[in-house]
Amino acid sequence: DQQVKQNSPSLSVQEGRISILNCDYTNSMFDYFLWYKKYPAEGPTFLISISSIKDKNEDGRFTVFLNKSAKHLSLHIVPSQPGDSAVYFCAARGNTGNQFYFGTGTSLTVIP
Amino acid sequence: DAGVIQSPRHEVTEMGQEVTLRCKLISGHNSLFWYRQTMMRGLELLIYFNNNVPIDDSGMPEDRFSAKMPNASFSTLKIQPSEPRDSAVYFCASSLRLAGSNEQFFGPGTRLTVL
Repeated sequence: DQQVKQNSPSLSVQEGRISILNCDYTNSMFDYFLWYKKYPAEGPTFLISISSIKDKNEDGRFTVFLNKSAKHLSLHIVPSQPGDSAVYFCAARGNTGNQFYFGTGTSLTVIP
Repeated sequence: DAGVIQSPRHEVTEMGQEVTLRCKLISGHNSLFWYRQTMMRGLELLIYFNNNVPIDDSGMPEDRFSAKMPNASFSTLKIQPSEPRDSAVYFCASSLRLAGSNEQFFGPGTRLTVL
């Protein structure tokens, strides 16, 4: 069963606007969360992460928010750029090892 | 650094044939992960190794799948016999398992098609 869920398979946003990608998880023992970005014919690349002891982490145009009580995290991209068009995977790590659980991905299209 | 290297990039085979996917880790990394990407389940972890030792293979779908790490820098994922439902993109990723280090570096993937 999926422990990490991305319920929106796709999202389209106008250039310059905010993109919000969502992720839900079921295991309260997850202690570290990451977002990966994937372009076609390439492997996923690390984008941004957040520890469970924080509720926000910001890196340039990218901000990840964590709501532990709701078991929900989100990735905000602002302003969105056409080069941000990619598939975004949310991942969570259990606190017993370095195994990650990935969601099914959200395909973001930023329209020029 | 060349990053994680996977070969072949594409593999087309017929049902029943043996398939071997290969992965070279980033130099100095000590953890290796094999994932399978499908539309329905996203990125599924199949198996991972720490210091050449398999730690968790609960994601391996069935006995047709096997993975090895003959040395610290190389791994193979074998499917024998292959079936059409094995068609997917297979990624390997490596990381350096240290306190506070969490990033996995992915290879470009192998797109497997079983006819």
